[in-house]
Amino acid sequence: GENVEQHPSTLSVQEGDSAVIKCTYSDSASNYFPWYKQELGKRPQLIIDIRSNVGEKKDQRIAVTLNKTAKHFSLHITETQPEDSAVYFCAASSSGGSNYKLTFGKGTLLTVNP
Amino acid sequence: GAGVSQSPRYKVAKRGQDVALRCDPISGHVSLFWYQQALGQGPEFLTYFQNEAQLDKSGLPSDRFFAERPEGSVSTLKIQRTQQEDSAVYLCASSLAIEGDGELFFGEGSRLTVL
Repeated sequence: GENVEQHPSTLSVQEGDSAVIKCTYSDSASNYFPWYKQELGKRPQLIIDIRSNVGEKKDQRIAVTLNKTAKHFSLHITETQPEDSAVYFCAASSSGGSNYKLTFGKGTLLTVNP
Repeated sequence: GAGVSQSPRYKVAKRGQDVALRCDPISGHVSLFWYQQALGQGPEFLTYFQNEAQLDKSGLPSDRFFAERPEGSVSTLKIQRTQQEDSAVYLCASSLAIEGDGELFFGEGSRLTVL
C-alpha cells in the first residue's frame, strides 16, 4: 500500500517568513495530493490540493508543487501569519483499486512567531 | 447543521466496555470514511462506505471494531471490549466524490480514552 513520509515534524518561523513542508510517497499510481490544516482540537480542513497532471498550483499565499518522477510534493506558505500556526498534513491517493482511500503523513506542527 | 457531526465528542470507557461512536455526514454525500488519529499522528484509515455498502474495512485493527451505515446516511463505529490502545480520536469524514480525489469534510472527532 501507499506510504507517505512528511518532513519536518516541527517548524518554527518568524511572522512574514516563508515555510516549506515536504512529503514523499511510495505508490507511483498515486495521482491526488491534498494538504489539510488542523488547528488544535479542531477538525482537519482542506487548504489546497493538486492532481498529477499539474506540476504547481497556487492559491494566494499557499502553493503546492509536485514532482512525479521523484515522487515528492511540497507545501509552500509565504508571508506567514500567526493564524497559520497549526498542524499540516499531506496525503496521497491513487486511482485504481483503492482510489477512495487517502494515506496521510504524520503531520508538521508549524509555529509562526509574531 | 451543514457540516459533519460526530457524537459523543468525548468518551471515557473502562477497559472491557463497549462503545459506540456516531457520525452524521453532510446530506447527500455518498462516501463516508472513518479514520483513527493517535496523539501526534496523522489520521489512519479504518473503513470506507459508499452509500450503505462497506467497500473496505481493511484498516480496522481487530475484529473488536465494527462499523455500519445501514441506510446510507448515519454511520456508527462500534468498539467491543475496549483496550487502552484503542484510545485515540476517531474522525469521520464524508465526500461527494466516489473516486479518491474529492475533498474530505471531517467531523470534529470523538476522543476516546480507555482507562
